[in-house]
Amino acid sequence: EAGVAQSPRYKIIEKRQSVAFWCNPISGHATLYWYQQILGQGPKLLIQFQNNGVVDDSQLPKDRFSAERLKGVDSTLKIQPAKLEDSAVYLCASSFRSNTEAFFGQGTRLTVV
Amino acid sequence: EDQVTQSPEALRLQEGESSSLNCSYTVSGLRGLFWYRQDPGKGPEFLFTLYSAGEEKEKERLKATLTKKESFLHITAPKPEDSATYLCAVNQNRNQFYFGTGTSLTVIP
Repeated sequence: EAGVAQSPRYKIIEKRQSVAFWCNPISGHATLYWYQQILGQGPKLLIQFQNNGVVDDSQLPKDRFSAERLKGVDSTLKIQPAKLEDSAVYLCASSFRSNTEAFFGQGTRLTVV
Repeated sequence: EDQVTQSPEALRLQEGESSSLNCSYTVSGLRGLFWYRQDPGKGPEFLFTLYSAGEEKEKERLKATLTKKESFLHITAPKPEDSATYLCAVNQNRNQFYFGTGTSLTVIP
């Protein structure tokens, strides 16, 4: 069974530029998560989708971050404009249901300079 | 406020020296507690799910237990390949998934 696919693996951008990350979840998984993980910390939930609807985006900085999940499958996370403090690993995860284990992709390491 | 706290932050063990990692939580309506392993440069890898107090799960040298306020990950006779960061996460009645900050485990040969 294919796992969660994310791209790109690495991205370096200058502050105030924009960037987008892509995620393809495990087939049949209704719930999709985007997490931000800063070095040395645990993952922080940014947004959670159930099919193509948003369940929770309370920790998403909505003035600069946006996310969508078209047709309840793939998802993109965008940052515009980026700040230095956005440097982190962005992890996508999916689960069959919202209260079952989530499976993670390899993540995208973003460096803002 | 919902919280997940892991201790210790870092742990160094000699190969074969058993120990336990702790995950304490204060959430409203726990729907599941999850343990993950994370290697450097990789996404978290799922280990266990625990749903109710008294539940236990085992896999090779790892055993996870759950009470009403905390969970333990017991590591028996660890090997160097068990070195990683161990994360716990809780899913509560609003379906939000909170992670702790993790315990960095180093097993010395």
